[in-house]
Amino acid sequence: KAGVTQTPRYLIKTRGQQVTLSCSPISGHRSVSWYQQTPGQGLQFLFEYFSETQRNKGNFPGRFSGRQFSNSRSEMNVSTLELGDSALYLCASRGVLYGYTFGSGTRLTVV
Amino acid sequence: QQQVKQSPQSLIVQKGGIPIINCAYENTAFDYFPWYQQFPGKGPALLIAIRPDVSEKKEGRFTISFNKSAKQFSLHIMDSQPGDSATYFCAASLLSRSARQLTFGSGTQLTVLP
Repeated sequence: KAGVTQTPRYLIKTRGQQVTLSCSPISGHRSVSWYQQTPGQGLQFLFEYFSETQRNKGNFPGRFSGRQFSNSRSEMNVSTLELGDSALYLCASRGVLYGYTFGSGTRLTVV
Repeated sequence: QQQVKQSPQSLIVQKGGIPIINCAYENTAFDYFPWYQQFPGKGPALLIAIRPDVSEKKEGRFTISFNKSAKQFSLHIMDSQPGDSATYFCAASLLSRSARQLTFGSGTQLTVLP
C-alpha cells in the first residue's frame, strides 16, 4: 500500500511569511504526527492528530499549528516564519499498532 | 524524564563488523522502543522495535538487547554492510492522555567501510 506522502518536498520562504505543509497518511491510519528535524535539536515532536482532534502537542510556540481532515489528511501551518524554523518537517502515520511510518519530509528553508 | 540518551554520536566499522549503538532512558512509563534508520533525503524508517517485557529481539541482521533494570537498550548490526551506512535513531514511546508520541535519541551516524 502507498506510504505517507508529504508535499511539497522543498520550500523556500522569507522571514515573516507563513507556510502550510501537507501530509497524506497511509490508507486506514487515523493518527498523524508531525516532527521537526534539525541538526542542532534532532527530532522533536510537534503534535499528534487523531480523528480530526489534536491529542498531544510538543513544546513549540503557538506559531506552529495543524489540523486534520475527515479523510485523515493533515496540514501543518507555521506563521510569521523565523530563520530558526528552517528544518525538515516530517509527518508520521500510525494504525492500530504501535509502529509509526514516516514520510520523506518537507525541507523548509527560511531566508 | 522524557529524554532518551544515545551514544555514540558517530561510528565507523569495517564491512562485516558488528556496530553497537546504545540508548538509555529515565521514564519507566515508556512501553515501546523502536529503532529507526534514516538515509540522507529520506524520512526515518522503522527498523525493529521491542516491548519492555522482552530482553532480546532479532530481525534479520538487526538485534535489540533490552535491559529493563538498567533502563538501557542497544542495537546490534551483524555482518554490517556498506549499505547499512546511515543515521540510526533510538526512540521511546508512552501512552499519555490517550495519545502517543515518540521521544528520539540524538542519532548515531554509522559508516561501514568496504
